[in-house]
Amino acid sequence: QQQVKQSPQSLIVQKGGISIINCAYENTAFDYFPWYQQFPGKGPALLIAIRPDVSEKKEGRFTISFNKSAKQFSLHIMDSQPGDSATYFCAAGNTGNQFYFGTGTSLTVIP
Amino acid sequence: KAGVTQTPRYLIKTRGQQVTLSCSPISGHRSVSWYQQTPGQGLQFLFEYFSETQRNKGNFPGRFSGRQFSNSRSEMNVSTLELGDSALYLCASSRGASWLGELFFGEGSRLTVL
Repeated sequence: QQQVKQSPQSLIVQKGGISIINCAYENTAFDYFPWYQQFPGKGPALLIAIRPDVSEKKEGRFTISFNKSAKQFSLHIMDSQPGDSATYFCAAGNTGNQFYFGTGTSLTVIP
Repeated sequence: KAGVTQTPRYLIKTRGQQVTLSCSPISGHRSVSWYQQTPGQGLQFLFEYFSETQRNKGNFPGRFSGRQFSNSRSEMNVSTLELGDSALYLCASSRGASWLGELFFGEGSRLTVL
């Protein structure tokens, strides 16, 4: 059973546009929701993370929106740039347990 | 500050063989987690070690095992390799337990099973 479901699988956005990636989770005990960015040939790197006591967190062009009642969270990339082209993974976890990762979204930003 | 180092980066094995992968965490990090990455499946959790003790284990068969040494370096072993074990194996370290915050990933060991 997939604990974290991520969509879309791939996304193509024009430079300057908004990229939106969605994730849904099952376990209401999850209390930490990070997003990781992975470039080809590299390991994933933490991009931004949120805890369920807030509904939104913004860091530069990257924003996480969190909807606790719907058990959903999303990553918004404003003013998308070609350098943002990468694979993005959402994840969820809670104290004492493992992280569960989504299946990834391949983002391509067209110049 | 050196990042997470994984060796070897690439390896090719045949079915039935075994393989050992190594991970050196960031200095001062005590937790090491292992993940299997395959296309379409994302990152699947294998296990986590903290101070030489296995804290959590994912849903993988017993052919997958690991250990952590007193210097926090970790190894994972896969015995009786199957074609389906072909994947990128990622190691991640964190200062404390993994659920407390950021995981720092290595670049992975790409295993091909023929």
